[in-house]
Amino acid sequence: DTGVSQDPRHKITKRGQNVTFRCDPISEHNRLYWYRQTLGQGPEFLTYFQNEAQLEKSRLLSDRFSAERPKGSFSTLEIQRTEQGDSAMYLCASSLSTGGLMNTEAFFGQGTRLTVV
Amino acid sequence: GNSVTQMEGPVTLSEEAFLTINCTYTATGYPSLFWYVQYPGEGLQLLLKATKADDKGSNKGFEATYRKETTSFHLEKGSVQVSDSAVYFCALSPSGSGSARQLTFGSGTQLTVLP
Repeated sequence: DTGVSQDPRHKITKRGQNVTFRCDPISEHNRLYWYRQTLGQGPEFLTYFQNEAQLEKSRLLSDRFSAERPKGSFSTLEIQRTEQGDSAMYLCASSLSTGGLMNTEAFFGQGTRLTVV
Repeated sequence: GNSVTQMEGPVTLSEEAFLTINCTYTATGYPSLFWYVQYPGEGLQLLLKATKADDKGSNKGFEATYRKETTSFHLEKGSVQVSDSAVYFCALSPSGSGSARQLTFGSGTQLTVLP
């Protein structure tokens, strides 16, 4: 299977700890997105990369959150000093953008479920 | 800002019943519209999309028509199956290119189809 993969699938952490999630996009995709989904809600956009450049960040992405995509391939999302309100499913997606009107759909991973206790 | 409103769930239907899930949106300009489906334990999958007014997206027997005059993108299927049980999300993208950049999602509608 060559879809978007995320690791870990589940993470339980104590409040105040740091956590890091990894996303491996579909190999030829140049865009990578992070979303957060809380229970009973739709996903909310956090940030996206085109290759290694982080082009947009939502106001939801507080200064405790940082995302990187160092070589334009996999990405990491780190949350520092976790709070109970950070408990959510963190979704990664990727797509191919060739400019203009030629863009593929976003393919989503299965997500990382974070529980902060 | 952009927003998407979906009909409240959950929705429970018998097999072969007709399905409608309502979706309305608020956006400036000419957004692209999407329906995503999330089966239990899986990631979101794109079900169908429409990038301009009056476009009809269709896939796997599901259809939705981009209605700019009513700012709606209702999902329909003529005869649902048990395998259609999932959560359905309506979403929009601010550009007209169909790009996945900054998708805004509705809150989702849980569909359960009984045999």
